[in-house]
Amino acid sequence: EVQLVDSGGGLVQPGGSLRLSCAASGFTFSNYAMTWVRQAPGKGLEWVSTISGGGSTYYADSVKGRFTISRDNSKNTLYLQMNSLRPEDTAIYYCAKDRGWQSEVPDYWGQGTLVTVSS
Amino acid sequence: SSELTQDPAVSVALGQTVRITCQGDRLRSYYASWFQQKPGQAPVLVIYGNNNRPSGIPDRFSGSYSGNTASLTITGAQAEDEADYYCNSRDSSGNHLVFGGGTKLTVL
Repeated sequence: EVQLVDSGGGLVQPGGSLRLSCAASGFTFSNYAMTWVRQAPGKGLEWVSTISGGGSTYYADSVKGRFTISRDNSKNTLYLQMNSLRPEDTAIYYCAKDRGWQSEVPDYWGQGTLVTVSS
Repeated sequence: SSELTQDPAVSVALGQTVRITCQGDRLRSYYASWFQQKPGQAPVLVIYGNNNRPSGIPDRFSGSYSGNTASLTITGAQAEDEADYYCNSRDSSGNHLVFGGGTKLTVL
């Protein structure tokens, strides 16, 4: 059974940093692209970033240069390093497994972790 | 603004058929997928590749497309289908995912 456990969220001041983690199990982690999607309170889904099975990375314009996605295949863990955080980054952040090695479509999602950026 | 346009809200009588649509020029080039999200829960993939259903998704869910419009059809809507539905595809670069604004489905 595919399981994704998101963690690392919390309250941070504007300009601060946070690192999210996503522990994966139930599938061969290195064979699949992984994605972060966020959802601001009461709003829709927004794609944030994707890393392919080969390590190629892609970012939404809204986070490019501030966020870094990475993966540790030996630990079956996905990360999202978030720097220079802004109030508009406040959201639930979901990690998701992709259907393929390259980005295709997220087919399993974690439960999400809440990031609140506020002073 | 989203490159994929959805109606904000749709309603359907219990047991009837409802179609939720998603419009965008990118849909002429890239597949559409659909996600169901219930309050307080993570999204669930219900349709991928325009018209493929993941295992475990009831066969009352189906997908189709024509031109710049993708559709999610629920045939015989159930009370448990009440949820937000998001379409998903790619932007012009092909490397970035995009989501529609979402459609709130109410089952009457």
